[in-house]
Amino acid sequence: DAGITQSPRYKITETGRQVTLMCHQTWSHSYMFWYRQDLGHGLRLIYYSAAADITDKGEVPDGYVVSRSKTENFPLTLESATRSQTSVYFCASRTSGTDTQYFGPGTRLTVL
Amino acid sequence: SQKIEQNSEALNIQEGKTATLTCNYTNYSPAYLQWYRQDPGRGPVFLLLIRENEKEKRKERLKVTFDTTLKQSLFHITASQPADSATYLCALDMSSGGYNKLIFGAGTRLAVHP
Repeated sequence: DAGITQSPRYKITETGRQVTLMCHQTWSHSYMFWYRQDLGHGLRLIYYSAAADITDKGEVPDGYVVSRSKTENFPLTLESATRSQTSVYFCASRTSGTDTQYFGPGTRLTVL
Repeated sequence: SQKIEQNSEALNIQEGKTATLTCNYTNYSPAYLQWYRQDPGRGPVFLLLIRENEKEKRKERLKVTFDTTLKQSLFHITASQPADSATYLCALDMSSGGYNKLIFGAGTRLAVHP
């Protein structure tokens, strides 16, 4: 049972390019989340999803797009990457009825 | 908006001592509060959850308190070990529109020295 996985683990891209970060969970959890983690800021919520085809903005959604056509996948797309989007991105999931979130290993993204 | 404060400076303690980490928040009181552990290069891992009607929660060497009057949670690790060295994150419930969301503090780095 792989749990929750993210790919790629490391990514270097250039300003203006489109980048998609993948998140996959094997638990069939209803809820999925995308966070970014920057030094001194902690984890900030970008987008979340309560179920397939249901998504909503978090604290810092600008410049990001998400989709959730299947329960197990929750990709995050940077439509036109900027240097300020250099960060470590974490995906998380939780089942309905509980409050604990389970995090993936993270993707370190560098935008040059 | 809700603001969470955790001591940004690293906490250095000697093995065997009790480590105490602080989480302070402003504005409204959350329905519950969680503590997570994060090791370098890894995602956070859930440790404990405490609800607003609970004063204290324990799990093995871990203890969490929740004071809604002071708007503060304390996280204790007793008989600390070098393996407890990590960053500890406090997270508050920010339920909105029925979708439970968490807001995280920046974390406190704990270093336990032999």
